[in-house]
Amino acid sequence: DAKTTQPNSMESNEEEPVHLPCNHSTISGTDYIHWYRQLPSQGPEYVIHGLTSNVNNRMASLAIAEDRKSSTLILHRATLRDAAVYYCILRLFGNEKLTFGTGTRLTIIP
Amino acid sequence: GAVVSQHPSRVICKSGTSVKIECRSLDFQATTMFWYRQFPKQSLMLMATSNEGSKATYEQGVEKDKFLINHASLTLSTLTVTSAHPEDSSFYICSARDTGFWGEQYFGPGTRLTVT
Repeated sequence: DAKTTQPNSMESNEEEPVHLPCNHSTISGTDYIHWYRQLPSQGPEYVIHGLTSNVNNRMASLAIAEDRKSSTLILHRATLRDAAVYYCILRLFGNEKLTFGTGTRLTIIP
Repeated sequence: GAVVSQHPSRVICKSGTSVKIECRSLDFQATTMFWYRQFPKQSLMLMATSNEGSKATYEQGVEKDKFLINHASLTLSTLTVTSAHPEDSSFYICSARDTGFWGEQYFGPGTRLTVT
């Protein structure tokens, strides 16, 4: 499976945008980029996914590099409730499994 | 949105006893459910994939006789930890895959198991 690399932790001020990076230099053409987040003592929550084009939804935006070797999850205006571990996961189209890495622990500073 | 529930949310049992954890998809049908385990400050590790009406597929290193999985209906999967020991204490999380084209996974809130 293609692997992802994320910073272990990041901090951001409340009400400011947050850019969470993910490197996936060995991504294949049929790998979709997924982002999940896990709040303390809860199960993961789907955030967003994409293949090549940038994607937006009510929770976040996903910016994908042109060569697809990296991507950035963008939270436009962080709140305290966004404090969580964010996982960047590559999922091969047609493969049901999700392989979780260590993720990025995001701390929001009031 | 799609909702997955787990019961119980927290359980304490004595060493040597068995514990059953239920995972339900509340507003969609799930042909496939997944069971994960998460130890403190670690990431989620997939234990097994459960398909409705068939035997579960276990990941390498997971004892199938210890972690019994039953997926009897399109909305219910159960994980039974048999003869639990303190090292089985963990956070167990299920997810359910909807039957749509993409088949996104939706996660339950998790079950905290403590074996004394």
